[in-house]
Amino acid sequence: GENVEQHPSTLSVQEGDSAVIKCTYSDSASNYFPWYKQELGKGPQLIIDIRSNVGEKKDQRIAVTLNKTAKHFSLHITETQPEDSAVYFCAVDANAGGTSYGKLTFGQGTILTVHP
Amino acid sequence: SAVISQKPSRDICQRGTSLTIQCQVDSQVTMMFWYRQQPGQSLTLIATANQGSEATYESGFVIDKFPISRPNLTFSTLTVSNMSPEDSSIYLCSVDYLIREGGNEQFFGPGTRLTVL
Repeated sequence: GENVEQHPSTLSVQEGDSAVIKCTYSDSASNYFPWYKQELGKGPQLIIDIRSNVGEKKDQRIAVTLNKTAKHFSLHITETQPEDSAVYFCAVDANAGGTSYGKLTFGQGTILTVHP
Repeated sequence: SAVISQKPSRDICQRGTSLTIQCQVDSQVTMMFWYRQQPGQSLTLIATANQGSEATYESGFVIDKFPISRPNLTFSTLTVSNMSPEDSSIYLCSVDYLIREGGNEQFFGPGTRLTVL
């Protein structure tokens, strides 16, 4: 089955710095790669996603890049703010294909702390 | 995006009892899923809740332990049966939602935090 590795497990930055989290996956057929932010006591919130026909996607301070050849994708957060502090999870669609997306395999999570 | 609610939000249960968790979505969705998140861990898929048929379980999860119902396109339940302390986790409902032609996204409910004594 799909195997997803996420690094680093913890990341501490100063406010205004950039943060980068990287994930690698094993199944070359996977074609959907979402990122989730989970705050304490809440469910995961989808913050950005990318599909295999795109190499990069940006939404304000957040961007995701995908390298299908190397089977890795990364989350980039610029100008970090204290409210960005949370656990971030990458995920990969383990049932890839067509226009219907299914089961997700998650990375181990990254605890991001942004210091004021 | 879809709005998902879960009941209860949290519960403390005794060993050997069962708890049923409800998931309600504000619009009809084709696919609903149940995940488990053990303390300090990532999310693991338990099963896909299929409307009109039995749920599809992932390796390591069985129907006798986690029976699932899906009576319609907006509602599902997950029961955690014969609980033990090892079942203490956050249980999350998610839906696969068509946001635009050719693209789906998956949204999660707020979770149910279960503690088994």
